[in-house]
Amino acid sequence: GQQVMQIPQYQHVQEGEDFTTYCNSSTTLSNIQWYKQRPGGHPVFLIQLVKSGEVKKQKRLTFQFGEAKKNSSLHITATQTTDVGTYFCAGPGAGKSTFGDGTTLTVKP
Amino acid sequence: GAVVSQHPSWVICKSGTSVKIECRSLDFQATTMFWYRQFPKQSLMLMATSNEGSKATYEQGVEKDKFLINHASLTLSTLTVTSAHPEDSSFYICSTLKVGVADTQYFGPGTRLTVL
Repeated sequence: GQQVMQIPQYQHVQEGEDFTTYCNSSTTLSNIQWYKQRPGGHPVFLIQLVKSGEVKKQKRLTFQFGEAKKNSSLHITATQTTDVGTYFCAGPGAGKSTFGDGTTLTVKP
Repeated sequence: GAVVSQHPSWVICKSGTSVKIECRSLDFQATTMFWYRQFPKQSLMLMATSNEGSKATYEQGVEKDKFLINHASLTLSTLTVTSAHPEDSSFYICSTLKVGVADTQYFGPGTRLTVL
């Protein structure tokens, strides 16, 4: 079945540094979604990417969808303490999403 | 986005009892809802897909007789953990599926279950 893998599992950065998490799928995806889960909270939808090579930006967050639609990345520029949490990518599959294991970001002030 | 509520937000119960968790779609009719389980510091594990008016589809390894799912209306799905045991203690999260250009899931706030 479809597998979605994320790296790294954990990332510790100093406030102001950049952060990137990568998502790779074993199969081609029709779309990919990104979620953020704050400590103690529930996943919150961030964005979805549909087109090959698509790049979308949300303030300091940049999302990319690979040309082959099998990988994606989330890049945060100049991290802030409010960015802490676990970022999940999710690929669709038969009407349900397959979630990656997530990348947990901690930011040291 | 869409608004999804879950009740209760947390529950503590004795081993052997049953616990019902409700998931409500507050601003649109959700034909499909999902139930996930999340252990500390782990990803979401899909338990089952809940379809309004029909039986839920369970993922491999999930006991359907232990985790009863009912999707009686387009805005409500319930998960009942029957004869709960301490190993059932977990964070249970539901989501609704909004169908569009690309299907998007909106998550409820989750229910933390502790079985003593």
